Amino acid sequence: GQQLNQSPQSMFIQEGEDVSMNCTSSSIFNTWLWYKQEPGEGPVLLIALYKAGELTSNGRLTAQFGITRKDSFLNISASIPSDVGIYFCAGGYNTDKLIFGTGTRLQVFP
Amino acid sequence: DTAVSQTPKYLVTQMGNDKSIKCEQNLGHDTMYWYKQDSKKFLKIMFSYNNKELIINETVPNRFSPKSPDKAHLNLHINSLELGDSAVYFCASSQAPGISGRELFFGEGSRLTVL
Repeated sequence: GQQLNQSPQSMFIQEGEDVSMNCTSSSIFNTWLWYKQEPGEGPVLLIALYKAGELTSNGRLTAQFGITRKDSFLNISASIPSDVGIYFCAGGYNTDKLIFGTGTRLQVFP
Repeated sequence: DTAVSQTPKYLVTQMGNDKSIKCEQNLGHDTMYWYKQDSKKFLKIMFSYNNKELIINETVPNRFSPKSPDKAHLNLHINSLELGDSAVYFCASSQAPGISGRELFFGEGSRLTVL
């Protein structure tokens, strides 16, 4: 089945650093979402984007819906240890099923 | 009060056995889903029900049979378990299907290990 490519696959950073990750698709979407999964838990929705070019923040997290509608970006500013987890992008087009990205594993060292 | 709860959380069983996973949501949502997450953490949709009716049925072996007795419950029964069925199975719900239902609420997952 179709999967979205996320980059980078893994990140190992120092507490306080900023983080950037992105997600690309071969087809256009009209919805982009970002989820975070912590160990032993299910994914939790962080940010939902519904319009090309849209920039939305949730605390230290900022996500953007790419102008081409084929990509999305997530930034985390001033990372803290509890930011550790796997970040998934997900894209959807109209009534089609949601497609999840391959995930970016984030490790934050104090 | 857990929004999407699934049981059991862990399941260890022998090849060839039949097992079920149950899911309940108390969010009043119309749509429920089963996702499979493999060892590489890829999340793949298996089934989706809207108001007790099957609306998404991915290419899944017919050993997997979902059942929705009402819109708050979606169970997954697996017959003749195989080693490759080992994975974490997530139940999720959303207000509606399609574009208006993109915001999924996931359960904690049921880790199935087939020996």
